[in-house]
Amino acid sequence: IAGITQAPTSQILAAGRRMTLRCTQDMRHNAMYWYRQDLGLGLRLIHYSNTAGTTGKGEVPDGYSVSRANTDDFPLTLASAVPSQTSVYFCASSDSEGGTTDTQYFGPGTRLTVL
Amino acid sequence: GQNIDQPTEMTATEGAIVQINCTYQTSGFNGLFWYQQHAGEAPTFLSYNVLDGLEEKGRFSSFLSRSKGYSYLLLKELQMKDSASYLCAVVDSNYQLIWGAGTKLIIKP
Repeated sequence: IAGITQAPTSQILAAGRRMTLRCTQDMRHNAMYWYRQDLGLGLRLIHYSNTAGTTGKGEVPDGYSVSRANTDDFPLTLASAVPSQTSVYFCASSDSEGGTTDTQYFGPGTRLTVL
Repeated sequence: GQNIDQPTEMTATEGAIVQINCTYQTSGFNGLFWYQQHAGEAPTFLSYNVLDGLEEKGRFSSFLSRSKGYSYLLLKELQMKDSASYLCAVVDSNYQLIWGAGTKLIIKP
């Protein structure tokens, strides 16, 4: 693989269920990010990780959690999904450790619908 | 608060030139990105400006005025494949990207 992969591509989920969105990159980038994109709004940062073993909260972290056990993987978990979490989720990575302006590269996205 | 403004939608003709504007008010400034996003796809990097002036890259150019909190993306010799959304994003004082809602560009033959 080359770049960033996300799984699943799309998912329909019942409210209250737990869901993990997967993200893997093979570029050895230090920093990774999770965004959600909703119609009429800009991309909003959910959580980020500047390097393996560290994570931070973005603009809209409530209801989501992340972990960064290694450089390549950055899963996003919805502990108990709600309809307002219906969105397109993008994972991104950059070759930085925070405090820089390196370009972010995006995965193909996961379209999540919570009913 | 932090704010990025872009027009919601623009229409242009194949072969023409179009300018997409972006104004911003952010806590600090460490650069401005333009990304292209085709419908149903991921955003892809177009340009990065941190100093005032024009950066040219083939058919695409990006301009920045830090004193005015203003940038534009200029697309020349428009092609049908340029139909996409164009996202403006500013790097704030915490080195986080603040994103505009994007401008949907429609190209007509």
